[in-house]
Amino acid sequence: SYVLTQPPSVSVAPGKTARITCGGNNIGSKSVHWYQQKPGQAPVVVIYYDSDRPSGIPERFSGSNSGNTATLTISRVEAGDEADYYCQVWDSSSDHVVFGGGTKLTVL
Amino acid sequence: EVQLVESGGGLVQPGGSLRLSCAASRFTFSNFAMSWVRQAPGRGLEWVSAISGTGAYTYYADSVKGRFTISRDNSESTLYLQMNSLRAEDTAVYYCAKGGVSGSYYGNYFDYWGQGTLVTVSS
Repeated sequence: SYVLTQPPSVSVAPGKTARITCGGNNIGSKSVHWYQQKPGQAPVVVIYYDSDRPSGIPERFSGSNSGNTATLTISRVEAGDEADYYCQVWDSSSDHVVFGGGTKLTVL
Repeated sequence: EVQLVESGGGLVQPGGSLRLSCAASRFTFSNFAMSWVRQAPGRGLEWVSAISGTGAYTYYADSVKGRFTISRDNSESTLYLQMNSLRAEDTAVYYCAKGGVSGSYYGNYFDYWGQGTLVTVSS
């Protein structure tokens, strides 16, 4: 089965740029979606189809995907961005949705 | 705005059964694939099952295949998850999630999620 690998944690100072990676075999050939989840809340999509941003999501959130790594980039990080972030793809070989293990973003 | 409201969670003994429901509103329910996603306490997201808009096609994670059954009633805009032979490892918050693009399950993302319903499997 397809596996997505995320770092368990990323720390960044306010105003700096956070990059959260999602590794997978030839993930660049798949569409990657990213979700933000704050404690006690349901996940919210922040990036879909690699780099599209839903309405209401700040332009500070962007995504890229190439080779074996997809990246969620959060510019000018704010305290309110502190959350867990999950990447997600659809695995065509199994017809399964796959989530990464999640990354806890800490704003220092 | 789209609304998804789950219900049916609770405490059940190992080997027991439970049926979850997700009432959907403010969108054309039959046009969208729907999924169940769960999250064990302190853990990450795990996709459980999905169903096409018509209900003709269903998909299951290996961990629940043969024990869980997903279904939908498009006339009532409601999604269901019948859970049998429950195990302690099925303890989680169960979310229903709506596909972001109409007509397709493949490659889709989830644009709306319910608030979740807690299932606890314990004796």
